[in-house]
Amino acid sequence: EIMLTQSPATLSLSPGERATLSCRASQSVSNRLVWYQQKPGQAPRLLIYDTSNRATGIPARFSGSGSGTDFTLTISSLEPEDFAVYYCQQRGNWPSTFGPGTNVDMK
Amino acid sequence: QVQLVESGGDVVQPGRSLRLSCAASGFTFSNYGMHWVRQAPGKGLDWVAVISYDGKLKYYADSVKGRFTISRDNFKSTLYLQMDSLRVEDTAVYYCAKENIPRAATGNDYWGQGTLVTVSS
Repeated sequence: EIMLTQSPATLSLSPGERATLSCRASQSVSNRLVWYQQKPGQAPRLLIYDTSNRATGIPARFSGSGSGTDFTLTISSLEPEDFAVYYCQQRGNWPSTFGPGTNVDMK
Repeated sequence: QVQLVESGGDVVQPGRSLRLSCAASGFTFSNYGMHWVRQAPGKGLDWVAVISYDGKLKYYADSVKGRFTISRDNFKSTLYLQMDSLRVEDTAVYYCAKENIPRAATGNDYWGQGTLVTVSS
């Protein structure tokens, strides 16, 4: 089973700032890395699939990069609605696994 | 519009069984792989199982392998999760989720509202 680690666990930022979230895999997942956003009481929302492809309706301020074992989700300028928990998920090998999440909260 | 509606969550004792259902509408169910993902109260997401669009391929998390069975009925547009030998640590909200691309496994674009399974003596 591939383990994912996410850093930092918490990111405290202000609206308008840039957010950089990291996801690291215990072995290569090629480009099969997915990012989700989850707000309290809601189901997750798909943001990015296959490392860098934005899902339908996702604003351009969200971007993904990386390959192999190291991946990054960047939010270029935080909007108030972006404060949430972000999870990465690997689809490189079954079973799929999720990272523990990064909480982006308002400073 | 796409809708996924889970049902079947309940309070059960350890060792007992439960079957979850997920009724899908608003898309061609038989074209998409489907997943179950769970989330324990206050915890992160935990992937459970996936089934291919045609039901031929199934994969499970190590923690549920041999105890849970995923299946689907493409005529009824319904996904199932049969959960046997339930443990306290299976307590969670269980979500069903569809793949975002037909006949592929790239990400889950629609999720149900979740159904709560509580395993307690």
